[in-house]
Amino acid sequence: QVQLQGSGPGLVRPSETLSLTCTVSGYAMSTYYWSWIRQSPGKGLEWIGHVYYTGTTTYNPSLKSRINISVDTSKSQFSLKLASVTAADTALYYCARNRGSGVRDYFDYWGQGILVTVSS
Amino acid sequence: EIVMTQSPATLSLSPGERATLSCRASQSVNRNVAWYQHKPGQAPRLLIFGASTRAPGVPSRFSGSGSGTDFTLTISSLESEDFAVYYCQQHDLGPPWTFGLGTKVEF
Repeated sequence: QVQLQGSGPGLVRPSETLSLTCTVSGYAMSTYYWSWIRQSPGKGLEWIGHVYYTGTTTYNPSLKSRINISVDTSKSQFSLKLASVTAADTALYYCARNRGSGVRDYFDYWGQGILVTVSS
Repeated sequence: EIVMTQSPATLSLSPGERATLSCRASQSVNRNVAWYQHKPGQAPRLLIFGASTRAPGVPSRFSGSGSGTDFTLTISSLESEDFAVYYCQQHDLGPPWTFGLGTKVEF
């Protein structure tokens, strides 16, 4: 059974960098894409970006200038860094596994979500 | 970017009743729509992909239909554990893949 567990600080100050890590257990990271998805208060789900196990990344154009997603398969982890955060980045952040080939993907396993609040 | 519009926002039903949830895409997504169930404090759960294929372990009371721009998730007879928020997602044209705002099924 695939399990994803996100971790990271719940409070980030405006203009700083949000850093989250997702640890994958129960399945090897190889041959899959791994995504970050967020849900802002009162809003729907927003796909942030994904990383292939090789390290190849694709980002949502709306956030592309501020995002970095990386993978460390030796630790079964992938990570999100979001720079220059504002209150608009306050959200529940989910990590998830893609099913598909990076083109027609949906998400078959999700972590429980990390609530990140941006506030001074 | 494809916009996914779900209706209604809230569906008030009782156990045993039939739930019909709608999702409309701003352009054709063929049959590439997934549905998720989300309960507070839990990870979202994949129910349906490819418009009508149930994910492993999903009960048969959940069914999906549609193609092109109009899609439906049907729960044939609601059980207590089915009260949750349901999201649709297009997985035809991406990235970015896009989700609807959700339908809350409440008792």
